[in-house]
Amino acid sequence: AQTVTQSQPEMSVQEAETVTLSCTYDTSESDYYLFWYKQPPSRQMILVIRQEAYKQQNATENRFSVNFQKAAKSFSLKISDSQLGDAAMYFCAYRSMNRDDKIIFGKGTRLHILP
Amino acid sequence: KAGVTQTPRYLIKTRGQQVTLSCSPISGHRSVSWYQQTPGQGLQFLFEYFSETQRNKGNFPGRFSGRQFSNSRSEMNVSTLELGDSALYLCASSLVGVDEKLFFGSGTQLSVL
Repeated sequence: AQTVTQSQPEMSVQEAETVTLSCTYDTSESDYYLFWYKQPPSRQMILVIRQEAYKQQNATENRFSVNFQKAAKSFSLKISDSQLGDAAMYFCAYRSMNRDDKIIFGKGTRLHILP
Repeated sequence: KAGVTQTPRYLIKTRGQQVTLSCSPISGHRSVSWYQQTPGQGLQFLFEYFSETQRNKGNFPGRFSGRQFSNSRSEMNVSTLELGDSALYLCASSLVGVDEKLFFGSGTQLSVL
């Protein structure tokens, strides 16, 4: 069975600095999707970034980028120039290409931004 | 375009009661999925509906059920509530595909006393 592990329950970073959130997963499949979702205090989860496993190039969305290491089954999220609005819970998620499989979330990392 | 709407936002029930939560997806989205979020277990998948059919189900007891209507709106029902059912219940909608981004509602916070 697939699993997603986020080993950092909480992290803090100074405003304007860079922070990296870790995520590892376990799967026997070769094709799948990986996601990072952000959950601010409003509780509404928002997609931050998405990575297709068959693409070697790391996904980037403005200040957010990932380091996708397929062989190591690692999918870390880097936030550059951290802003106060980045404070939130961040969830890493895995989804198989098999439509019958469910999406699996990690337990999340709470990110604090220090002014 | 309106986002995913979940009602109610907060709910307080007592053990043994049943509860129904509602989710209205983004217009045009045909897939609705439900999740239970607790501090200890994180975010766990409950079930997914697509075109009124349950496409996938998580590892939850039969007390948890759902359905989807022809307009894609979905309801989730929990019968014989237990203290451990206290959680934030999130609903998400997407167009169709596996790689589709999920659009989440703000959730229903259920407290079971």
